[in-house]
Amino acid sequence: DADVTQTPRNRITKTGKRIMLECSQTKGHDRMYWYRQDPGLGLRLIYYSFDVKDINKGEISDGYSVSRQAQAKFSLSLESAIPNQTALYFCATSGGTTHSNQPQHFGDGTRLSIL
Amino acid sequence: GENVEQHPSTLSVQEGDSAVIKCTYSDSASNYFPWYKQELGKGPQLIIDIRSNVGEKKDQRIAVTLNKTAKHFSLHITETQPEDSAVYFCAASRNTGFQKLVFGTGTRLLVSP
Repeated sequence: DADVTQTPRNRITKTGKRIMLECSQTKGHDRMYWYRQDPGLGLRLIYYSFDVKDINKGEISDGYSVSRQAQAKFSLSLESAIPNQTALYFCATSGGTTHSNQPQHFGDGTRLSIL
Repeated sequence: GENVEQHPSTLSVQEGDSAVIKCTYSDSASNYFPWYKQELGKGPQLIIDIRSNVGEKKDQRIAVTLNKTAKHFSLHITETQPEDSAVYFCAASRNTGFQKLVFGTGTRLLVSP
């Protein structure tokens, strides 16, 4: 979905390095998400944000941090990368209210390899 | 918490045949069920979704059915084409509050000409 842009698309780095993955969206959505995809495990939620002032941990947040710099931007950081964080990372956005959710729209992902 | 199981993990069909992918969920409060298609090098793309107030939804060659009593839902693709080849994911969530999507583990569909 070109409305959700992730950078970089690919990254190879070494254990212990700090890495930032960036996500920007032009859909005007308030809600943004970071997922991790591993073979055979589907997508698992790392962090989510309902708006600039609201950030929450997902099911696998250990070793990760996020920053919601603006409504349109949501960054994921690995403070000290380790090899088992090698995976595909996806950003997603959605609209919705507390009474009704809307579908999530995904970017094309960042393939991260940690040596 | 919610758990979603998806079967089969791989599915091979001939062009023109039908394909069916099945998912079961554990949380009886789940009431929103999207299906995503993921092509190589791309992110998941929503292809159809269903909410629990209906039992079936169709969009051209794609349909989804929902059995709330048995807590399972299925994706049906008719008249398959080679471009249908991809990985398909089901997901489930509650429709209110935070939409925490729980995904199945994916089905790799291969449509042979």
